[in-house]
Amino acid sequence: QKEVEQNSGPLSVPEGAIASLNCTYSDRGSQSFFWYRQYSGKSPELIMSIYSNGDKEDGRFTAQLNKASQYVSLLIRDSQPSDSATYLCAASSGSARQLTFGSGTQLTVLP
Amino acid sequence: GAGVSQSPSNKVTEKGKDVELRCDPISGHTALYWYRQSLGQGLEFLIYFQGNSAPDKSGLPSDRFSAERTGGSVSTLTIQRTQQEDSAVYLCASSSDRVKETQYFGPGTRLLVL
Repeated sequence: QKEVEQNSGPLSVPEGAIASLNCTYSDRGSQSFFWYRQYSGKSPELIMSIYSNGDKEDGRFTAQLNKASQYVSLLIRDSQPSDSATYLCAASSGSARQLTFGSGTQLTVLP
Repeated sequence: GAGVSQSPSNKVTEKGKDVELRCDPISGHTALYWYRQSLGQGLEFLIYFQGNSAPDKSGLPSDRFSAERTGGSVSTLTIQRTQQEDSAVYLCASSSDRVKETQYFGPGTRLLVL
């Protein structure tokens, strides 16, 4: 059973702080990793993708991948109340390269 | 450009009825995925279409579920003899770059089986 594990939270951080979200995956064959943001009642929205070990930065977001440890993380700098959402970690696997999702981490940024 | 579209946005049906859910992927995207998101189960893969190849149906939960993709574009997910446990949000995603496997989701169809 291929699994993606996330701390379900909830995680609360004050406005302007760094939010750190973590994820581990079980399938060593996974090549691509994604972070999606999902607001309540909405569909997942792609935030970041990462394919190689190391860090990838995009604006206030930094994704980190460590394939040896099977670990993916997302850092959100200068957190804003509008960042309050559920963050889903996903890894591609299987012959269809379908996404296996974690259960999500609920983030609340307090004004 | 236009994103993935799905219809209907909401569907209420009675147990035992059949339902059809539609997905229109981003133009030019060759890969199309159906997922289901329900409370307590998270987001789970159902079926995958790539171009004109035979679909990967490995995620379908029962033989009451089927899907087709006509002309390599629009897809329809059909659930026969619906059960209350089929109540969920059904999400469609499409992808243009199979190497990078980046999937973009539609708004979903919220299905409620009474």
